[in-house]
Amino acid sequence: GENVEQHPSTLSVQEGDSAVIKCTYSDSASNYFPWYKQELGKRPQLIIDIRSNVGEKKDQRIAVTLNKTAKHFSLHITETQPEDSAVYFCAARASGYSTLTFGKGTMLLVSP
Amino acid sequence: EAGVTQFPSHSVIEKGQTVTLRCDPISGHDNLYWYRRVMGKEIKFLLHFVKESKQDESGMPNNRFLAERTGGTYSTLKVQPAELEDSGVYFCASSSGFVGTYEQYFGPGTRLTVT
Repeated sequence: GENVEQHPSTLSVQEGDSAVIKCTYSDSASNYFPWYKQELGKRPQLIIDIRSNVGEKKDQRIAVTLNKTAKHFSLHITETQPEDSAVYFCAARASGYSTLTFGKGTMLLVSP
Repeated sequence: EAGVTQFPSHSVIEKGQTVTLRCDPISGHDNLYWYRRVMGKEIKFLLHFVKESKQDESGMPNNRFLAERTGGTYSTLKVQPAELEDSGVYFCASSSGFVGTYEQYFGPGTRLTVT
């Protein structure tokens, strides 16, 4: 089955810096890669996703890149703000399936 | 539109007891999923309903776990008897449309502590 590795497990940055979280996946059939943000005490919420026919996707300060050959994808947050502090999960899903396979999460702390 | 709701938000039970978790998906969502996150580990898939039918239950850890979705609306996940390793946060998620094509919306989770 699919296996998703996520790094780092914790990431501390200063406000205004950029943050990068990286994930690798094992199943070449995976074609959908969402990123979820979970603030303390709240539910995981989808912040951005990418499909395998696209190499990069941007939404304001967040972007995701995908390298299908290397089987890795990354989340980039620019101009970080304290409200970006949360646990971020990457996930992968194969075509025709519903199961999301998640990474272990990255706790991002943005200090003012 | 109301989001996915889960009850209770937190449950503390002793080993050997029974607990039932409930999930109410977004109205009209045929797909309902259960996931679990054990402390510090990944969110792990448990099972998937399409309406009242179990589409995929490959992630259910053992036969102490029983999930139902009678009538295709809310779902329950029963753990009987509970063991220490069952502690974790149980998430429910729902989605509309065809399998594998739509965003999954998560509930706030139920934190289960087995002592």
